[in-house]
Amino acid sequence: KAGVTQTPRYLIKTRGQQVTLSCSPISGHRSVSWYQQTPGQGLQFLFEYFSETQRNKGNFPGRFSGRQFSNSRSEMNVSTLELGDSALYLCASSLSGGHTEAFFGQGTRLTVV
Amino acid sequence: GESVGLHLPTLSVQEGDNSIINCAYSNSASDYFIWYKQESGKGPQFIIDIRSNMDKRQGQRVTVLLNKTVKHLSLQIAATQPGDSAVYFCAELSLGGFKTIFGAGTRLFVKA
Repeated sequence: KAGVTQTPRYLIKTRGQQVTLSCSPISGHRSVSWYQQTPGQGLQFLFEYFSETQRNKGNFPGRFSGRQFSNSRSEMNVSTLELGDSALYLCASSLSGGHTEAFFGQGTRLTVV
Repeated sequence: GESVGLHLPTLSVQEGDNSIINCAYSNSASDYFIWYKQESGKGPQFIIDIRSNMDKRQGQRVTVLLNKTVKHLSLQIAATQPGDSAVYFCAELSLGGFKTIFGAGTRLFVKA
């Protein structure tokens, strides 16, 4: 079966713009988590969604938001982009969340210039 | 490929030797501890997990050891192969929180 699909793979944006990233989980998986990965901070948890509800949120400013649709696909949005938002954004899906075997997509590499 | 971390601790081993990657965790209330492998240009991939009430678990060529007294987790890879070269992350999960917290990662180089 298809894995986790993230689009786009690469993105270049200008400071102040906003961006929307998409994640399609594995079929049947209802939990989607988002992570930001940078060389300096490693993998940091952004938020987790299950059945269109956000169940947990990491320590990121309100410029970072997300949502999940009824088909479990998820999007995350970053508004008013800053240079420090340049990172690899990863999403992971699992059957129901709180499950150890989460499957990650390849990520979206966002560069803010 | 993607640069996962420019300043990660690095472990270099000879092909065929055993590797031991260590991790200190922070939350003694975590329910599970997990090891992930991340190759260049890819997302992390689940390797093995261990529940908090266990102290050892074995998989295929890998063993995870958990020492709750000192909050220490280790991953042992037997007969390390070039394909094992990657960044390895430990992670902890509290089931009620639906949130996985990742450690900083260790880069493993396998010399042929």
